[in-house]
Amino acid sequence: DADVTQTPRNRITKTGKRIMLECSQTKGHDRMYWYRQDPGLGLRLIYYSFDVKDINKGEISDGYSVSRQAQAKFSLSLESAIPNQTALYFCATRQGSEQFFGPGTRLTVL
Amino acid sequence: SQKIEQNSEALNIQEGKTATLTCNYTNYSPAYLQWYRQDPGRGPVFLLLIRENEKEKRKERLKVTFDTTLKQSLFHITASQPADSATYLCALDMEGGSYIPTFGRGTSLIVHP
Repeated sequence: DADVTQTPRNRITKTGKRIMLECSQTKGHDRMYWYRQDPGLGLRLIYYSFDVKDINKGEISDGYSVSRQAQAKFSLSLESAIPNQTALYFCATRQGSEQFFGPGTRLTVL
Repeated sequence: SQKIEQNSEALNIQEGKTATLTCNYTNYSPAYLQWYRQDPGRGPVFLLLIRENEKEKRKERLKVTFDTTLKQSLFHITASQPADSATYLCALDMEGGSYIPTFGRGTSLIVHP
């Protein structure tokens, strides 16, 4: 299912580097989300956007920023990556009460 | 504080048996509750939604119950198969609210042949 795509799928970087994770969707949904998942901690919300002009912080937004370039695109940036940002990152869209997740980006910060 | 609890220990069952997973919550008044399946290294996939005024919902071999008095949802997979092995997440959401679901940490199900 390629309705929600994420690039890159895997990324290894060094502390202090700026990283951008990209998300695109073909579902035509207005609501988009960025989550990170860590072992034993479940999914935690970083940022969300309900339309192109709407950006909101989630529970763990510190150290991250986002850009909603278009309805179909929602990018997550780590301005200066640190090792505790090593995690699996998911983008999701929402239609009604159902969320549709992308395949994830595995990010490792050394 | 608000909390969602799913059993952190993996559930191991034999093929053909019914798997039952539990989702408990405190300090929420959710309008509906969702269950998702997640395979290793992949994004969660929506399975079922049950609203606060529904007691039970079924979809093929899946059944979900929702008890707002006990603040608990049970997720059943009947006639389980090894292909059902995955992590199952519950998520709570508020009607007419923020559209920000809160996810539990998930329970791993392992179905043995």
